[in-house]
Amino acid sequence: KQEVTQIPAALSVPEGENLVLNCSFTDSAIYNLQWFRQDPGKGLTSLLLIQSSQREQTSGRLNASLDKSSGRSTLYIAASQPGDSATYLCAVRPNDYKLSFGAGTTVTVRA
Amino acid sequence: SAVISQKPSRDICQRGTSLTIQCQVDSQVTMMFWYRQQPGQSLTLIATANQGSEATYESGFVIDKFPISRPNLTFSTLTVSNMSPEDSSIYLCSVEVGTGMGYTFGSGTRLTVV
Repeated sequence: KQEVTQIPAALSVPEGENLVLNCSFTDSAIYNLQWFRQDPGKGLTSLLLIQSSQREQTSGRLNASLDKSSGRSTLYIAASQPGDSATYLCAVRPNDYKLSFGAGTTVTVRA
Repeated sequence: SAVISQKPSRDICQRGTSLTIQCQVDSQVTMMFWYRQQPGQSLTLIATANQGSEATYESGFVIDKFPISRPNLTFSTLTVSNMSPEDSSIYLCSVEVGTGMGYTFGSGTRLTVV
């Protein structure tokens, strides 16, 4: 059974600092990995999708890396802003389509 | 990617009653997924809804408690039946438009049972 772990569980940084969020998974036989953002009481917004054959994806200030063999992904957010405050979830898709989610990292960016 | 319209966005319900949540997708999809997110927890898959067949429920979830309809390739409903305070959660629907193309989620239904 796929286990997905996100460290740290919470993170508080001053505005402008770079954020590093970690995701690890136990079974390397994945189809892809997806990072989401969730605001309190809301749904999930997709940030980045990395296919199993890719090493990284970038979108604006966001960069996600994937090391499938070691079961790790890292989400980097450059020059953080108060609007980046949210919970960030990583989800691993195996070949059978059922996503496995981490518990999330709750980020607070202080103005 | 797909766009999902989910209704209602939130509701406060009396125990013992039922609530039906709707999800409308702007494209045809084979499977729609229903999740529950309990307070402070991550997402748990309730069931997978296929058009024209019974939904497939995950361990710990039963059809009598969470009946699902899937009348066509763009629409699904989840009903939370005979509610108790333990059912207070965020409920979300999700689709994957193409295999490996990433998942899109609805905006969620925040349910409080009193």
